[in-house]
Parts: sequence; C-alpha cells; structure tokens
Amino acid sequence: QQPVQSPQAVILREGEDAVINCSSSKALYSVHWYRQKHGEAPVFLMILLKGGEQKGHEKISASFNEKKQQSSLYLTASQLSYSGTYFCGTAPPGESGYALNFGKGTSLLVTP
Amino acid sequence: KAGVTQTPRYLIKTRGQQVTLSCSPISGHRSVSWYQQTPGQGLQFLFEYFSETQRNKGNFPGRFSGRQFSNSRSEMNVSTLELGDSALYLCASSSLPGGTYEQYFGPGTRLTVT
Repeated sequence: QQPVQSPQAVILREGEDAVINCSSSKALYSVHWYRQKHGEAPVFLMILLKGGEQKGHEKISASFNEKKQQSSLYLTASQLSYSGTYFCGTAPPGESGYALNFGKGTSLLVTP
Repeated sequence: KAGVTQTPRYLIKTRGQQVTLSCSPISGHRSVSWYQQTPGQGLQFLFEYFSETQRNKGNFPGRFSGRQFSNSRSEMNVSTLELGDSALYLCASSSLPGGTYEQYFGPGTRLTVT
C-alpha cells in the first residue's frame, strides 16, 4: 500500500522552514526518508522505527506517530542544497516488512 | 567502499523483447531491492532478495522476475516488453532486509521500450 505524501510540491526561500508529511493506511514498523536530486539516485536521510529509535543525519529531524501511522520530515533553515524530491518509504511489521513502499514524492525547491 | 552499480545504464528495446538488468550491491550487503520509477508514480517496489531468496514481491505482473546469486549480485528480467515498461529501474542494497536498515541506491538503468 503506497503511503500518501503532502504537500506534492513546495517552494521556499533560503532560510525558511518546511514540513513534509507521510501517511499510511496500514500499521507501520518503520518509516524511511530519502531525497533525490534530478538525474541522481535517491539518498538516505533517516529511518524511524517503531518504538522510537531513529537513525539518520544529524541535521535532519523527523517524527513518527505510530498510532496515527504518520511521519513528518522537518527541514529547518533551508539551504539551496535541500532542493530535490523527498520520498517517504514505509515498511509494515512482520515478514512483509521486507517490502518498502514509497510515496509519490514531494518536490522541494529552495530559491535564493 | 564502492557504491551500488547497475548495468547497463541505458537500454532501448522493442515491444515484445525481453531484457535483463544487473545490480551489484555494496560489498558485504546481502539484501537487494528493485524499484520502478516513473514520472508521477514515484518509486514502486518490485521485489527484494536476501540471501538468494525472494522475500517479497510488489504488485507487478509475472513478466517481471528476478534472482540473486551467492555473491549477492542480482538480476531482474522483464519478458514480453510493453510500452508501459519504459522507466528508470533502480536497485538498492542494504546490509540486512530493507525495513530496518538504510538502503543505498544505484544510479539506475533507464529502459526505453519503443
């Protein structure tokens, strides 16, 4: 089941903040966040696991509400390099946790 | 450490043909996942392999298949190509199954079906 991301696109000025949301209709074991720049491969940003564990880059922050099956990625004091498409990927609990389902992405453009 | 490599990088095939794509994971990684990326659809999960076993498969027709070798390298095959199969095919490797660990993506194979 593909998670739903919002917003679909956002334009920021350098230094502004943004929040990208990811919502699933099914129970989740983990939420992953990746960023893809045009013409490049997606790059890992963060994993949030059921139970509260997080692994990722220091400058990236995110939250995971297990009850609501939602996650949010917080981009603060945005820089030009933050531009790209952000994907959340969700993994359900159990054996099917091997499957990572990605949302359609949120396009972020940071302007000078 | 070398990253994930995919070959070939670009392919042009004709409808009805078949194609095989290759993925070499990061050294030491035993899990390989495949994704299809098309504009507007994002990344769609095809399948994941761990220790030569397919652990899960996405919602794709049986024309899409794959395998993993003992050295963790993986191949995916698409038979009887259709125009709609034109896409960027990405593979990603992780040390252990993808739900718990970060995945490292390769540059992708751009497949065009004419």
